[in-house]
Amino acid sequence: NAGVMQNPRHLVRRRGQEARLRCSPMKGHSHVYWYRQLPEEGLKFMVYLQKENIIDESGMPKERFSAEFPKEGPSILRIQQVVRGDSAAYFCATSFGVRDTQYFGPGTRLTVL
Amino acid sequence: AQKVTQAQTEISVVEKEDVTLDCVYETRDTTYYLFWYKQPPSGELVFLIRRNSFDEQNEISGRYSWNFQKSTSSFNFTITASQVVDSAVYFCALSEALGNYGQNFVFGPGTRLSVLP
Repeated sequence: NAGVMQNPRHLVRRRGQEARLRCSPMKGHSHVYWYRQLPEEGLKFMVYLQKENIIDESGMPKERFSAEFPKEGPSILRIQQVVRGDSAAYFCATSFGVRDTQYFGPGTRLTVL
Repeated sequence: AQKVTQAQTEISVVEKEDVTLDCVYETRDTTYYLFWYKQPPSGELVFLIRRNSFDEQNEISGRYSWNFQKSTSSFNFTITASQVVDSAVYFCALSEALGNYGQNFVFGPGTRLSVLP
C-alpha cells in the first residue's frame, strides 16, 4: 500500500512565479490536510479538504494561496506570485475518516529565489 | 482555543540514556485525540502514536512509552536506552472535532532530540 505521495520533493521558483504542489492521498483516504513548516518551526495548519470541497481554510493566507481536491487526481496547493517568505516545507496529510489518524507525505521543499 | 506546549526546545543525551519529552495540552473538548510524530533529519513526518481522551492507559512499544495524565493535561513520551537513530524533532499534536466534518489539528513547536554516541 503506497503511502501519501507528494511531488515535487523540491521546487525552486523565482519571485513572482507560480508554485504548484501536488498531494496524492493514501489509498482509501478522502480527507486531505495541508501544513506549512517554516525553517526551525513547527507545522502550521493551512487547509482541510474533502473531495471537491474545502472544509476549513482558516490557516490559508487570504491572497495568492489556493487549494483544491478534485474528484479525480491529486490535491493541489497553488501559490501565485511567490515571495521569499513563502520558502518553506509544505506537507500534506491524509486520513481515512473524519477523526482518523493523519498520515503525512514526505513534503515539498519550496525555495523562492 | 486548543494549544500544545512542548517546553523543551532541545535535549541532548548520551546513547543508552533514557529521555522523556514533555507535552502539555489545552482543550475545552471532552473528546479529543493526542499524537506524537517524529521528524528525522531527512525531513519526513513519521506517525508514532494516537491516543483518545478516554483511554488513559499507558502504552509501551519497544523502547518507546507514553504516559497520558488527563488530570495534568499531559502526554509525555519516554525513550528508553536511547540510540543515535532516535535523533530527530518530535512533535506532539492535539486533534479536536471540527463540527461533524473534520478535525482541528494543532501541533506543538517540537523538541529537538540529539542522541550523542
